[in-house]
Amino acid sequence: EVQLVESGGGLVQPGRSLKLSCAASGFTFSNYYMAWVRQAPKKGLEWVATISTSGSRTYYPDSVKGRFTISRDNAKSSLYLQMNSLKSEDTATYYCARQNLLRYFDYWGQGVMVTVSS
Amino acid sequence: VQMTQSPSYLAASPGESVSISCKASKSISNNLAWYQEKPGKANKLLIHSGSTLQSGTPSRFSGSGSGTDFTLTIRSLESEDFAVYYCQQYNEYPPTFGAGTKLELK
Repeated sequence: EVQLVESGGGLVQPGRSLKLSCAASGFTFSNYYMAWVRQAPKKGLEWVATISTSGSRTYYPDSVKGRFTISRDNAKSSLYLQMNSLKSEDTATYYCARQNLLRYFDYWGQGVMVTVSS
Repeated sequence: VQMTQSPSYLAASPGESVSISCKASKSISNNLAWYQEKPGKANKLLIHSGSTLQSGTPSRFSGSGSGTDFTLTIRSLESEDFAVYYCQQYNEYPPTFGAGTKLELK
């Protein structure tokens, strides 16, 4: 059974940093692209980052480019999201997702909440 | 690519059929997925490639459309189907989602 479990969320002040983790199990992690998707309170879903199988290629929307960094450790079946220079608009539930080669998301974690507030 | 879903809210009774529309701001071929969101559960992929049911998706769900206009239809609603549904285009980066449709019990 595919499982994705996020951790590392919490309350952080604007301008500070936070690192999210996602522990994957039930599939061969190194064979799949992985992604982060977020959902701000009362808002829709927003794709945040994608990483290739080896980690050599990463993709971001303009809203987080230069501030967020996605990475992975295939030996540990783990995905990460380093978030720097956080803003109040980054407040959201962050989901780890397995990304199909066609770029849809076939498995999701239950999410971790990040609140950016002073 | 902007994705416009309608309606935002939909009230129905078990046994009824409902349809949810998703319109793309430009052609996305058939590169569209539908997801189900339920409280306390991980989001579930229902349909990809516009009309291909993901393994485990009940056959009462169906997807149709290509280009810019897509529809998710749920026939003979069951109690477990009351949830929020999202469409997502993956024809090009960035992948983008519709705003969601909340299907409520009438």
